[in-house]
Amino acid sequence: GAGVSQTPSNKVTEKGKYVELRCDPISGHTALYWYRQSLGQGPEFLIYFQGTGAADDSGLPNDRFFAVRPEGSVSTLKIQRTERGDSAVYLCASSSAGGRTYNEQFFGPGTRLTVL
Amino acid sequence: ELKVEQNPLFLSMQEGKNYTIYCNYSTTSDRLYWYRQDPGKSLESLFVLLSNGAVKQEGRLMASLDTKARLSTLHITAAVHDLSATYFCAVDKSNAGGTSYGKLTFGQGTILTVHP
Repeated sequence: GAGVSQTPSNKVTEKGKYVELRCDPISGHTALYWYRQSLGQGPEFLIYFQGTGAADDSGLPNDRFFAVRPEGSVSTLKIQRTERGDSAVYLCASSSAGGRTYNEQFFGPGTRLTVL
Repeated sequence: ELKVEQNPLFLSMQEGKNYTIYCNYSTTSDRLYWYRQDPGKSLESLFVLLSNGAVKQEGRLMASLDTKARLSTLHITAAVHDLSATYFCAVDKSNAGGTSYGKLTFGQGTILTVHP
């Protein structure tokens, strides 16, 4: 009965480096979401997967950000050439939405990314 | 663009008192979610409101939804210290057929502090 898990819990990197953040959703959940939460703000949507495909990537801020979910389960958020402004908590959520009429999302503990 | 606004953003309450947090949103939606976040933790789902007039209660918290007014409220009754946290509302747009678009748009959050 595990919930959504994310690794690492904390990541400190230098400006210009590449990072990967991993999300393991609740077993059987077909929908997976990435959000970014800056200090003192609500989470902001980045990308949404339904199965293996990105159903909506309209929240990705620029082409330095990319996410994959090759087997429809685990997802990886990849950030190239990190900038200080990328520092935030990256949250992953999953739901069993799959075309249902509502969409309760269950969130993981987040990865706190700090870019020095 | 969907906008979600909460007020107040900061709420300091005495134990035993009642108060209401308001969540306004800018476009038609009949699905609204309330989450709780403790410092340094992820989001915990509190309520899922799926239709106009929906009311849900859990302990000292009660949430309601008025889709015509595009307003949800989270009412706190006889506050206790354990309720101190940040509370977020989030709205889920749907297409004409009622299927969720997937992404949640969050309010800024209300930081609630309950003191003796």
